[in-house]
Amino acid sequence: DIQMTQSPASLSASLEEIVTITCKASQGIDDFLSWYQQKPGKSPQLLIYDATSLADGVPSRFSGSRSGTQFSLKISRPQVDDSGIYYCLQSYSTPWTFGGGTKLELK
Amino acid sequence: EVQLVESGGGLVQPGSPLKLSCVASGFTLSSTWLNWIRQAPGKGLEWVASITPDGRDTYYPDTVKGRFVVSKDNAKNTGYLQMNNLRSEDTAMYYCARGGDWFAYWGQGTLVTVSS
Repeated sequence: DIQMTQSPASLSASLEEIVTITCKASQGIDDFLSWYQQKPGKSPQLLIYDATSLADGVPSRFSGSRSGTQFSLKISRPQVDDSGIYYCLQSYSTPWTFGGGTKLELK
Repeated sequence: EVQLVESGGGLVQPGSPLKLSCVASGFTLSSTWLNWIRQAPGKGLEWVASITPDGRDTYYPDTVKGRFVVSKDNAKNTGYLQMNNLRSEDTAMYYCARGGDWFAYWGQGTLVTVSS
């Protein structure tokens, strides 16, 4: 099984910062990587697919990148509404596996 | 508007079966993968089942293989997750989601609690 190691587990950031969350795959997964945001009591929402493509309706302050087996989600000048838990998902091979999640708090 | 609505969750005893439903609207299930993902209370996301657009192929992680069966009725535009021999560790919110390589649309979830 492919393991997705997500970091950090939590972070607190200010509205002027650039927030970066990373997921490292235990083996190559090409660009079969997507990112999701989940707010309390809600279902997850797709942010990024194919490692770097922005999903419909997602603000341009969100972006995704890849370097080998390491993937990053960047939020430039985050808004208070961006608070929540973020997950990565690899869909290169079954079992599809999620990262452990990153809880983001904006201050 | 694309919408997915799950139902069928509830409180069941260990060893019991339960069948979840996922009604799709705004698109046809025959054209896309259907997936089930669960989230135990206070925990992260875990993929539990997928079915191909034509319904011929299904996929499961080892944690549920042999106990869970995913299916769909394209005529009713509804997907199902039959869960057998439920265990306490199956307690979770269960979501259905549309998509192959990524999950573009999710339902609101249905809660399954396995307890005696």
